[in-house]
Amino acid sequence: GDSVTQMEGPVTLSEEAFLTINCTYTATGYPSLFWYVQYPGEGLQLLLKATKADDKGSNKGFEATYRKETTSFHLEKGSVQVSDSAVYFCALVTQGGSEKLVFGKGTKLTVNP
Amino acid sequence: GAGVSQSPSNKVTEKGKDVELRCDPISGHTALYWYRQSLGQGLEFLIYFQGNSAPDKSGLPSDRFSAERTGGSVSTLTIQRTQQEDSAVYLCASSLARGRDTQYFGPGTRLTVL
Repeated sequence: GDSVTQMEGPVTLSEEAFLTINCTYTATGYPSLFWYVQYPGEGLQLLLKATKADDKGSNKGFEATYRKETTSFHLEKGSVQVSDSAVYFCALVTQGGSEKLVFGKGTKLTVNP
Repeated sequence: GAGVSQSPSNKVTEKGKDVELRCDPISGHTALYWYRQSLGQGLEFLIYFQGNSAPDKSGLPSDRFSAERTGGSVSTLTIQRTQQEDSAVYLCASSLARGRDTQYFGPGTRLTVL
């Protein structure tokens, strides 16, 4: 079945450090790919998405590029802030059927001042 | 506009009792999903409603779980004879038409089964 694998962390960085969270997927067809974020005490929010190969999703300084050849969608940010501390989930939706989200296990990021 | 709302925000129940969890999707959204977030299993799909079509129940973990969506809007997830392993945060999401559209999540209901 479809699945998402992401580095589980936790990841601890200092403010202004570079962030990469790796995400790879297995899916039939051509999935859409997502990064969701869950800030402490809050609900899941969409961070960015990409719907086809070579698309780049971006938001709030975060970027991820849909790489079909490596089945990857790694999340990056050039300079993290304390306010980026959260749990990040990589997810996919496949074509057809119920188009449900399939999530990775999440990566907890802590950014220290 | 208003987002997805869920009630109650917290529910504590005793093992063996039935519980009902409610979800109000964003107005006009035809697709509605229930997910469960637990420490052991992460985020997992439970059930999907789309318009008047038969729901996709493939993610429900047992026949103690059921859900309905009335009038194409509000949905209720019912868990009968709750067990301790049902303790989790139950999340509802809605999207405009399809799963590939952005799914907007509610704040969740934290269920604790004693």
